[in-house]
Amino acid sequence: AQKVTQAQTEISVVEKEDVTLDCVYETRDTTYYLFWYKQPPSGELVFLIRRNSFDEQNEISGRYSWNFQKSTSSFNFTITASQVVDSAVYFCALRHYNNNDMRFGAGTRLTVKP
Amino acid sequence: DGGITQSPKYLFRKEGQNVTLSCEQNLNHDAMYWYRQDPGQGLRLIYYSQIVNDFQKGDIAEGYSVSREKKESFPLTVTSAQKNPTAFYLCASTLRGVGELFFGEGSRLTVL
Repeated sequence: AQKVTQAQTEISVVEKEDVTLDCVYETRDTTYYLFWYKQPPSGELVFLIRRNSFDEQNEISGRYSWNFQKSTSSFNFTITASQVVDSAVYFCALRHYNNNDMRFGAGTRLTVKP
Repeated sequence: DGGITQSPKYLFRKEGQNVTLSCEQNLNHDAMYWYRQDPGQGLRLIYYSQIVNDFQKGDIAEGYSVSREKKESFPLTVTSAQKNPTAFYLCASTLRGVGELFFGEGSRLTVL
């Protein structure tokens, strides 16, 4: 069975602080894909990153970075120097290779205060 | 512009009525999905379709029905059998295989 756990329901930080959103997953598959999505107040989910299970390199994109560790089944997301516009709900998701069933975590609501 | 269009954005319905949510995509994607979002519960899969005229139940299909007569369209009907239909519904699509899902802006259904 596939499962994604985002233990942090809500996080509140002050602008310019760094913040890490945790994601832990469970799967029996050896080939799978992990994703992060951002859901701003408008409601639409915005794709941020995809990582396959064979690529454990960390990735940085501007103020965003992702740490994928298969040994701990985690795919954590860090925002450096947070901004008010980063306020949103963030979802981690897991998808088995060649299977269209994508599983989402419960989401973490991030509030960045000015 | 390519994308996914959901309509209506807001919908009110009386108990006992069926309602159909529209989802259209012009991305030429093969697979389409319907998710339900409730506060604090993330997204739960209702139905998905990998090709025309074929669809599979997700985790919470009871009380819902879908059709996939055209590649571009995947309407969701919320029937009167759905006990707690008030929720935010999201439609998504993807190319078959390993791509990310692209989402519409969602439809918020409220049952009065």
